[in-house]
Amino acid sequence: QVQLVESGGGLVKPGGSLRLSCTASGFTFSDYYMSWIRQAPGKGLEWVAYISGSGSAIYYADSVKGRFTISRDNAQNSLYLQMNSLRDEDTAVYYCAKGAAIDSWGQGTLVTVSS
Amino acid sequence: EIVMTQSPATLSVSPGERATLSCRASQTVSSYLAWYQQKPGQAPRLLIYAASTRATGIPARFSGSGSGTEFTLTISSLQSEDFAVYYCQHYNNWPYTFGQGTKLEIK
Repeated sequence: QVQLVESGGGLVKPGGSLRLSCTASGFTFSDYYMSWIRQAPGKGLEWVAYISGSGSAIYYADSVKGRFTISRDNAQNSLYLQMNSLRDEDTAVYYCAKGAAIDSWGQGTLVTVSS
Repeated sequence: EIVMTQSPATLSVSPGERATLSCRASQTVSSYLAWYQQKPGQAPRLLIYAASTRATGIPARFSGSGSGTEFTLTISSLQSEDFAVYYCQHYNNWPYTFGQGTKLEIK
């Protein structure tokens, strides 16, 4: 069955950096668009970034454009999110997600930005 | 950016009754509309995609309808496990966006 396992979350100071990883299994990874979606504590869902199967098409939410970079390694079945210049408002659970209508989600990894 | 607006924010319904949740898009999204259920401490779960197609393993009491800008999720006979937060989401064009959610609570 499909599994998505995130890692890399933690506590970081404002202005700091963090790199999230997601390891996928149970499907042909390179065939699917993948995303990072976040949810701030007690809030709704926000689509952060989206990458095509080949990596040639990438989209970002305006709130993270220029600060976050999504990438993938299809040989390693892995998805990444490099987060720079982190702000308090980036505090959230970050989910790795498969597809456009998301049929598989990871368990989420918590990123806390605080001094 | 397409804004997705869900109503009501909170819906109180008794077990066994029908629940109707609404989602409106600020411009047409054709049928590129999905519904998710989220319970506390869990990732969302896909219920409906393409506005009206149930995802794998989703019970028949969940149904979706609509196209363009107006969409509805109906739960025909509420079970205890259905009380949760529900989100709609469009995937017509980037940026994909979610509604703010409807909390379905026990009356």
